[in-house]
Amino acid sequence: QKEVEQDPGPLSVPEGAIVSLNCTYSNSAFQYFMWYRQYSRKGPELLMYTYSSGNKEDGRFTAQVDKSSKYISLFIRDSQPSDSATYLCAMKGAGNMLTFGGGTRLMVKP
Amino acid sequence: EPEVTQTPSHQVTQMGQEVILRCVPISNHLYFYWYRQILGQKVEFLVSFYNNEISEKSEIFDDQFSVERPDGSNFTLKIRSTKLEDSAMYFCASRNGAGNTEAFFGQGTRLTVV
Repeated sequence: QKEVEQDPGPLSVPEGAIVSLNCTYSNSAFQYFMWYRQYSRKGPELLMYTYSSGNKEDGRFTAQVDKSSKYISLFIRDSQPSDSATYLCAMKGAGNMLTFGGGTRLMVKP
Repeated sequence: EPEVTQTPSHQVTQMGQEVILRCVPISNHLYFYWYRQILGQKVEFLVSFYNNEISEKSEIFDDQFSVERPDGSNFTLKIRSTKLEDSAMYFCASRNGAGNTEAFFGQGTRLTVV
């Protein structure tokens, strides 16, 4: 079983739709959860950072963590064509290294 | 806004040659990292560096790899004898270390080994 699993997509939605992106993980030691956005051949750009379980909202983005289910989500409201990118979940425990999912490619069509 | 900068953006090298990838982390950050992403694959951790020494490394980071912080601003990754399979995007990241804060990534160096 992979440590972090993420549906690669592509996920295609119309502009204005609510997007739901998800990751599951197996390592119960993970405590810190992040979502990064990555445009083609660019570096990951941090979107959301969450500690432990719960919700966090920032503008059109909401991150949810359910540690009991080992499941994290990123919701994007009022999606825009500029949101088209690959979304990476990443997580870590007490150590330094981030473990990434494989990324979900999102396409928002005008 | 402060950012992690990496040079060069693209490096082409012959197999067996040494390469040095350079990074300037965000200035008040204390923890530094190298990750790599082979085309179409996951971002993978290579090494973390704190207080002038390696704090953690992955299985990928073998004897062919080394890191250095030669001065107060640069952080480098050296690959001694490049192999074809070293071709990837290499990302530098840093975080400020106040508590468990988030890591910020540079734009990457695309290394092509021919």
